[in-house]
Order: sequence, then C-alpha cells, then structure tokens
Amino acid sequence: KAGVTQTPRYLIKTRGQQVTLSCSPISGHRSVSWYQQTPGQGLQFLFEYFSETQRNKGNFPGRFSGRQFSNSRSEMNVSTLELGDSALYLCASSLAENTEAFFGQGTRLTVV
Amino acid sequence: QQQVKQSPQSLIVQKGGIPIINCAYENTAFDYFPWYQQFPGKGPALLIAIRPDVSEKKEGRFTISFNKSAKQFSLHIMDSQPGDSATYFCAASFPGSARQLTFGSGTQLTVLP
Repeated sequence: KAGVTQTPRYLIKTRGQQVTLSCSPISGHRSVSWYQQTPGQGLQFLFEYFSETQRNKGNFPGRFSGRQFSNSRSEMNVSTLELGDSALYLCASSLAENTEAFFGQGTRLTVV
Repeated sequence: QQQVKQSPQSLIVQKGGIPIINCAYENTAFDYFPWYQQFPGKGPALLIAIRPDVSEKKEGRFTISFNKSAKQFSLHIMDSQPGDSATYFCAASFPGSARQLTFGSGTQLTVLP
C-alpha cells in the first residue's frame, strides 16, 4: 500500500515568487492536512481538508492557501514568498475525520 | 502560546537503556495524544497514541504513560537500540480533529552502541 506522496521533494524559489506543492494521500484516505516544519518554530499546523472542504486553518497569513480535489489529492500554494517561508512542508493523510494522521516525506522549500 | 511542552530537548542513553520523554499540556479539552518518530530527511511516523480514558498503553517496546490530573504524558522506550536514534515529537489534538495536531518541540534521542 503506497504511502503519502509529496512532490516535488526539493524546491528553490526566489523571494516574491509563488510556489505550489502537491500531496497525494494514501489510497482511500479523504482527509489531508498540511504542516510547516522549521528549526525555530517546530511543527506548525497550516490547514486541513476533508472531502474538498477546508475544515480548519492555523495561524498563518493569507499568502498560504490550499485546496483539495475530488480524488482527495491536495495542493498548497504560497504567494509572494519570503525568506522565512523556507521550511519543510509536510502533508498528512487520514482515513476519516478523527483517525490517525500519516505523514509524507515532505517538500523542502528554500527561498533565496 | 505553546500548548504542549516537551522535555528534554536532547537525550543520550546507552543501548539497552530506557529513555523517557515527557510532555505536558495546558488545554484540558485535548483528547488525543500521539507520539511521532522522525528520522533526518523523512516525515514524522506515528509510533503510538493514547486517549485520556486509559493511563498506559504499550506497543512493542514503546509505552505511553498518561496522567490526566497532572496533564502530563510520557514515552518510554524499552531496551533501546541505536536504530531508535531519532527525533521524537509528542502531540495533542481536540475532539473530532485528530488531524489538527499541536506538537511539542521535539526530543533528539541518541542511543549509543
């Protein structure tokens, strides 16, 4: 059974650009959540989607957005990139609303 | 506001030792407490999780102890091995939302051979 797949694995972007990250959940899982991991702030919740609807959003600026498609795949977008957006972005999938979250390997974003 | 406090920040034990990692939470509305293990370059992997209606849960060499009155929970790793060397995170979530996790700051565990 395939795990959570995140693409790309690595990205280098310039300040001011925008970026789109992709996440394919475990087959059959309908929930996707996104996290940002940095050495200074640790693991922080960005947002979660269930059945194409955003259910919760963390304390991040509006430059961070996401969506979920009918096949449960999800994308997150960061516009007007800042140096501080450099981080490992992790996606987690869950079977249902109140079940365990399984993480992908993440996308390492570097903003220069 | 940091809602889940984790200690120690780093821990070194000898092979066969029993490292203990502690977490304390503030919000009594939390009802789900998982532990994750993360190796460099990998995403966190779910190890074991507990809910407040039990005081202890074991899965293999990993044990969670939960003290609801003290608002604390801890991870014990029995017979630790060098392959257990990783960063461990505790987390907590509110009812109905096991996906919206509030993480502790992490503990870097090193098990010496």
